[in-house]
Amino acid sequence: QKEVEQNSGPLSVPEGAIASLNCTYSDRGSQSFFWYRQYSGKSPELIMSIYSNGDKEDGRFTAQLNKASQYVSLLIRDSQPSDSATYLCAVNIEGGYSTLTFGKGTMLLVSP
Amino acid sequence: DTAVSQTPKYLVTQMGNDKSIKCEQNLGHDTMYWYKQDSKKFLKIMFSYNNKELIINETVPNRFSPKSPDKAHLNLHINSLELGDSAVYFCASSRGPNNEQFFGPGTRLTVL
Repeated sequence: QKEVEQNSGPLSVPEGAIASLNCTYSDRGSQSFFWYRQYSGKSPELIMSIYSNGDKEDGRFTAQLNKASQYVSLLIRDSQPSDSATYLCAVNIEGGYSTLTFGKGTMLLVSP
Repeated sequence: DTAVSQTPKYLVTQMGNDKSIKCEQNLGHDTMYWYKQDSKKFLKIMFSYNNKELIINETVPNRFSPKSPDKAHLNLHINSLELGDSAVYFCASSRGPNNEQFFGPGTRLTVL
């Protein structure tokens, strides 16, 4: 059974700091990895996708993937109070009709 | 210019009733999904359709019946509603079964 694990938090960081969110997954066949941000009472919003080992940067966000360690992370530089939300890690297996498996999310609180 | 839309946004109903939730996407995507997010915020896939064909049907009671009249629409009908059905239901779509998914605003269902 596919599992995606995240620390539920909350992860508290001061404004301007780097927030580091981590995710591990159980299925070695996983090929696609996504980070979603969900504000309270809102729908999940796609932030980043990553498919190969290494780092992928987009503005203040950097996704890091290590398939050997079955580990994916999201770094948020210069954290802002508006980044306070729950961050969901999602993992998919390529090929066929597979499901996107979500972690339970990490709540991030950025204090001014 | 909403990408994925759902109606209604809120649904309050009595146990035993039958209700429907509608979803439409204007992204030209081939694949659509229904997710349930419970009170613990865990997001779980229920169904997926690709080109109007059901491709994923997770362990969901028979009371839940999805219908896709065309690629842009995926509706969810629920019979004999139970208290445990109370949750937020999200529709999502993607270009294909293994691509990035984009979520609708959600429908908060409350069963009394």
